[in-house]
Amino acid sequence: KAGVTQTPRYLIKTRGQQVTLSCSPISGHRSVSWYQQTPGQGLQFLFEYFSETQRNKGNFPGRFSGRQFSNSRSEMNVSTLELGDSALYLCASSLERATGELFFGEGSRLTVL
Amino acid sequence: SQQGEEDPQALSIQEGENATMNCSYKTSINNLQWYRQNSGRGLVHLILIRSNEREKHSGRLRVTLDTSKKSSSLLITASRAADTASYFCATAEETSGSRLTFGEGTQLTVNP
Repeated sequence: KAGVTQTPRYLIKTRGQQVTLSCSPISGHRSVSWYQQTPGQGLQFLFEYFSETQRNKGNFPGRFSGRQFSNSRSEMNVSTLELGDSALYLCASSLERATGELFFGEGSRLTVL
Repeated sequence: SQQGEEDPQALSIQEGENATMNCSYKTSINNLQWYRQNSGRGLVHLILIRSNEREKHSGRLRVTLDTSKKSSSLLITASRAADTASYFCATAEETSGSRLTFGEGTQLTVNP
């Protein structure tokens, strides 16, 4: 069974631009969660989607958004990028509940210049 | 915000020794999990312990949970160089819905 796939793995953007990250969960998994990881703040929860609905949201500004498609694939978007958005963005999938065992992708490393 | 605080922040041991990492949290939880992360990569789930469990084993891993002290420990026995990684505890809080809250992590280095 294929694992969680995140694309792109690495990307460089400049301030003010926007970025879209993609996540393909494990087949059959309906819950997709997104986390931001930085050296200063650690792992911070962004949001969780289940059956195309956002089920939970972390304390991030509205510039951070996401969605989930009918095949459970998910995207997250960050608009008007700031230097502080530089981070490793991790996607995780699970069967039903985002509080059970999570399966993580390798992450998308975003650098904002 | 970080729910868990892990102790120590960094741990360096020799191969064959045991490694113990601790995690403290602040609110009532449904379960507590431990994950491992190799440098700059995704996290890998190690073990999940429910709030009504006190101890759990998986291979060389032993996890304990003390809900009265709001703390957990992860013991890795007979460490190997390949165990070198960051280890995170994560809690499923009763009032936070469908999310995990991660601790700050312990960087474990196992020297051959």
